[in-house]
Amino acid sequence: GNSVTQMEGPVTLSEEAFLTINCTYTATGYPSLFWYVQYPGEGLQLLLKATKADDKGSNKGFEATYRKETTSFHLEKGSVQVSDSAVYFCALRGTYKYIFGTGTRLKVLA
Amino acid sequence: DVKVTQSSRYLVKRTGEKVFLECVQDMDHENMFWYRQDPGLGLRLIYFSYDVKMKEKGDIPEGYSVSREKKERFSLILESASTNQTSMYLCASSLTGQSYEQYFGPGTRLTVT
Repeated sequence: GNSVTQMEGPVTLSEEAFLTINCTYTATGYPSLFWYVQYPGEGLQLLLKATKADDKGSNKGFEATYRKETTSFHLEKGSVQVSDSAVYFCALRGTYKYIFGTGTRLKVLA
Repeated sequence: DVKVTQSSRYLVKRTGEKVFLECVQDMDHENMFWYRQDPGLGLRLIYFSYDVKMKEKGDIPEGYSVSREKKERFSLILESASTNQTSMYLCASSLTGQSYEQYFGPGTRLTVT
């Protein structure tokens, strides 16, 4: 069946550091891939998405590329800010259902 | 902007009570979902609905039921609340089609005492 595996946190970085959060998936066919962010006390918000192989999603300085050959969708940001502190979820969509990773907590220190 | 609203942000109920959690979306989405979120377990799908009056079990449906009488509203019902149902409940909606993302409500933190 479909599954998503993302790196365990927490990840603690200093402001302006480079961020990578790894995400790999197992799926039949070619699902769409998503990154969501959850700030404290809130629901999830879409950060970016990619709907086919080699697509790059980007938003707010974050990027992720849909790599079919490595079944990966790693999230990157060149220079993190304190305001990026949140929990990040990688997800894929099957026919109706979405499959989420367990989330990676990011803490950015000033 | 798509908006998904949930009836309560915080709820405290007693063991054995019947609990209703309401979710409303305003963008004519066909699909609606209920998840629970617990530390270390991520999001777990309870039920989803791909059309009015249609429902499908998710990964953890035991102890829950749902109702979708109108397209914009999806209700989660705890028939007899138990302490192990203390959790954050998240509602989401989406269009049909693999490229479409979900939109989430702010969540309801339910405590069962």
